[in-house]
Amino acid sequence: SQTIHQWPATLVQPVGSPLSLECTVEGTSNPNLYWYRQAAGRGLQLLFYSVGIGQISSEVPQNLSASRPQDRQFILSSKKLLLSDSGFYLCAWRQGVGSPLHFGNGTRLTVT
Amino acid sequence: SQQGEEDPQALSIQEGENATMNCSYKTSINNLQWYRQNSGRGLVHLILIRSNEREKHSGRLRVTLDTSKKSSSLLITASRAADTASYFCATDPGTYKYIFGTGTRLKVLA
Repeated sequence: SQTIHQWPATLVQPVGSPLSLECTVEGTSNPNLYWYRQAAGRGLQLLFYSVGIGQISSEVPQNLSASRPQDRQFILSSKKLLLSDSGFYLCAWRQGVGSPLHFGNGTRLTVT
Repeated sequence: SQQGEEDPQALSIQEGENATMNCSYKTSINNLQWYRQNSGRGLVHLILIRSNEREKHSGRLRVTLDTSKKSSSLLITASRAADTASYFCATDPGTYKYIFGTGTRLKVLA
């Protein structure tokens, strides 16, 4: 069966520090991969998605970036965090168009 | 970006009662999905209804879809305390991007 791992679960980082959140999927190949951010009590904002290795589509400019170095690995990065980057970050995958999304347990990021 | 909207934003009911939440959207869709999110956790897929379907059941869940009104409803029957969570609809316009609503916070009182 397929599983998705996302880490760390919580992270407290100072303003200006770098960020790296990692997500891996097991039990499937060539998944579509997604990074979402959720503000407290709000809906989901799509940040990035990828339909294949090395292919990244960005929905939100700003100081975040994403990479997909391997088929089932998706990384969210920042060179310098801002206070506004605080939030709950969710990685998700799906098998293809029309399939449901499967989410990781999320990373609670607090930028201080 | 466009967002669906759930209604109500929050709902509080007694255990054993039914809970109904609604979702409205703006674009044409291939399917609509409902997800549940427990506090501090990721979303879990509950049910998917295709655009050519009008009603779908899964256990205590019943979903309806009215494409002419661009709306959907999720009914949870005989609710339990464990159903306490936020519920989101997501529309699939047939691209790589799903559009999520803002969610309904359901609280089931024991």
